[in-house]
Amino acid sequence: EVQLVESGGGLVKPGGSLRLSCAASGFTFSNAWMSWVRQAPGKGLEWVGRIKSKTEGETIDYAAPVNGRFTISRDDSKKTLYLQMNSLKTEDTAVYYCATESYYAFDYWGQGTLVTVSS
Amino acid sequence: DIQMTQSPSTLSASVGDRVTITCRASQTFSNWLAWYQQKPGKAPKRLMYRASSLESGVPSRFSGSGSGTEFTLTISSLQPDDFATYYCQQYNSYFFTFGPGTKVDIK
Repeated sequence: EVQLVESGGGLVKPGGSLRLSCAASGFTFSNAWMSWVRQAPGKGLEWVGRIKSKTEGETIDYAAPVNGRFTISRDDSKKTLYLQMNSLKTEDTAVYYCATESYYAFDYWGQGTLVTVSS
Repeated sequence: DIQMTQSPSTLSASVGDRVTITCRASQTFSNWLAWYQQKPGKAPKRLMYRASSLESGVPSRFSGSGSGTEFTLTISSLQPDDFATYYCQQYNSYFFTFGPGTKVDIK
């Protein structure tokens, strides 16, 4: 059974940093293309960024609102995906989901972790 | 960037109704179009991918169609479990974009 478990969310002040983790199991993580998707309270879904597998060069793409502030990485030996978030803004407040990708869409999702940016 | 719109934004329907949700893109893209269902407090669930391919385990009352800039999700006979918010999502040139969502509630 595929499982994705996010952790690391919490309350952080504007300008601060936070690192999220996504622990994967039940599939060959090293072959997976992985994304982060977020959802602000009461709002819709917003793609944050994606990292491809090592065989695809671990290419990373980011959405414009986070480009230059967020960094996605992966540790295939630990089957873990990361999201390093720097220079956080109040508008980054959201539930952050990690998800696997197939057919250029997201098939398996974690339960999400809440990040609140507030002074 | 491609912008996605959905209509309607809210839909009130009864059990047994046929429901159609439309997703429109600001420009043509290949058929990498997916549909998701989300219930309050839960992660989204993929229903359709590549515009018309049904996700494994999803009931056959769900169907998807369309190409170019207009895509539809149809629920042939609405069931109590289907009251939720539905999102479309496209992929084009390294970026993913979601539609704003359509909430299907009880009439």
